[in-house]
Amino acid sequence: QVQLQESGPGLAKPSETLSLTCTVSGYSINNAYYWGWIRQPPGKGLEWIGSIYHSGSTQYNPSLKSRVTISGDMSKNHFSLKLSSVTAADTAVYYCARGFRDRSGFYPNIFDIWGQGTLVTVSS
Amino acid sequence: EIVLTQSPGTLSLSPGERATLSCRASQSVSNSQLAWYQQKPGQAPRLLIYGASTRATGIPDRISGSGSGTDFTLTISRLEPEDFAVYYCQQYGTSHSFGQGTKLEIK
Repeated sequence: QVQLQESGPGLAKPSETLSLTCTVSGYSINNAYYWGWIRQPPGKGLEWIGSIYHSGSTQYNPSLKSRVTISGDMSKNHFSLKLSSVTAADTAVYYCARGFRDRSGFYPNIFDIWGQGTLVTVSS
Repeated sequence: EIVLTQSPGTLSLSPGERATLSCRASQSVSNSQLAWYQQKPGQAPRLLIYGASTRATGIPDRISGSGSGTDFTLTISRLEPEDFAVYYCQQYGTSHSFGQGTKLEIK
């Protein structure tokens, strides 16, 4: 059974870098699939941030691309998100998730297994 | 960017009734690559439908998706208490985008 768990500080200061880690259990992330980050501001909708493929290649939401880095640590079976120059608008619940796969292939921005999410508040 | 507009914003129905949720795209969704998610308060979204009409693993057959091009529908044939939640559509054919959500509430 594949499970994902987000971890990291629940508070970030404006202009600093938000850092989160997603630990995966029940599956080795270097076997296959995309592994992604999605966020949801309080009371609002969903926004895909970006994804990393098992090979290490990445895809990012163009609206966030200049501030986002997603990386993977295969030895620890986790992947990480760094979002720089944060503002109050980056306050959200951040989810990590596994990218979906069907007969056509692997997808970076549709997700079938999700972590429980972690709230990150940007405030001084 | 493809903009997805969901309607209605809120749908008030009773258990046992039929729910019809709409998702309209500003341009044609490539290969009907449209998904639906269900989200309950305090929980992560749950994938219900992909490819516009294929149920994800473990999704009951009272939940179905249909549509192509720019118009898509999620139908729940007989509402159960656990179906009351927020539903999002998402297209993943051309880059990606999410709809703003439809809240399905108990009448």
